[in-house]
Amino acid sequence: DGGITQSPKYLFRKEGQNVTLSCEQNLNHDAMYWYRQDPGQGLRLIYYSQIVNDFQKGDIAEGYSVSREKKESFPLTVTSAQKNPTAFYLCATRKGELFFGEGSRLTVL
Amino acid sequence: AQSVTQLGSHVSVSEGALVLLRCNYSSSVPPYLFWYVQYPNQGLQLLLKYTSAATLVKGINGFEAEFKKSETSFHLTKPSAHMSDAAEYFCAVSDASGTYKYIFGTGTRLKVLA
Repeated sequence: DGGITQSPKYLFRKEGQNVTLSCEQNLNHDAMYWYRQDPGQGLRLIYYSQIVNDFQKGDIAEGYSVSREKKESFPLTVTSAQKNPTAFYLCATRKGELFFGEGSRLTVL
Repeated sequence: AQSVTQLGSHVSVSEGALVLLRCNYSSSVPPYLFWYVQYPNQGLQLLLKYTSAATLVKGINGFEAEFKKSETSFHLTKPSAHMSDAAEYFCAVSDASGTYKYIFGTGTRLKVLA
């Protein structure tokens, strides 16, 4: 079945460590997005990519990095520079509307 | 600039009662409007969307929404709530030019009482 796969579902990290969240899609959509979700704040855009080898910062890109080497993949790295990384992270693709993965919950210990 | 306001972060209804979740938007260009639903620890699922065709939009699970340009609103309704409707609901706006930007509201958590 076509869809978006995010992994891991749950991740724990110590302060000062970088972590990478995986997002893979087989929907053949060009555009991919990363959102951060915090309670009571809705979804905030971290990065988006309209096409392979191209990506742009969203509203809260500081402390995050991405790559888009393949159409199917858009990994997000949460670096140690991100001051408050504990959150629920959602990957999405776009074709008319946004299609979401199941999310990854990152907890910093 | 575009924005979305969802009135009421928590709404409680009795099973079988009308569900009304409010969304107002601001947009300087013709908007596309969306309602998504999220169950705990899951991604968002599209309920319905308005893309400048009919102003009354029907979605999945018996939900519908009406686009009212004069009131800049896109409220979500369902005639009779079911226990399975308990979830968080997000309104979102994009613009008809096809840009990347989707602006989400802060969400409304719906509780259904037996």
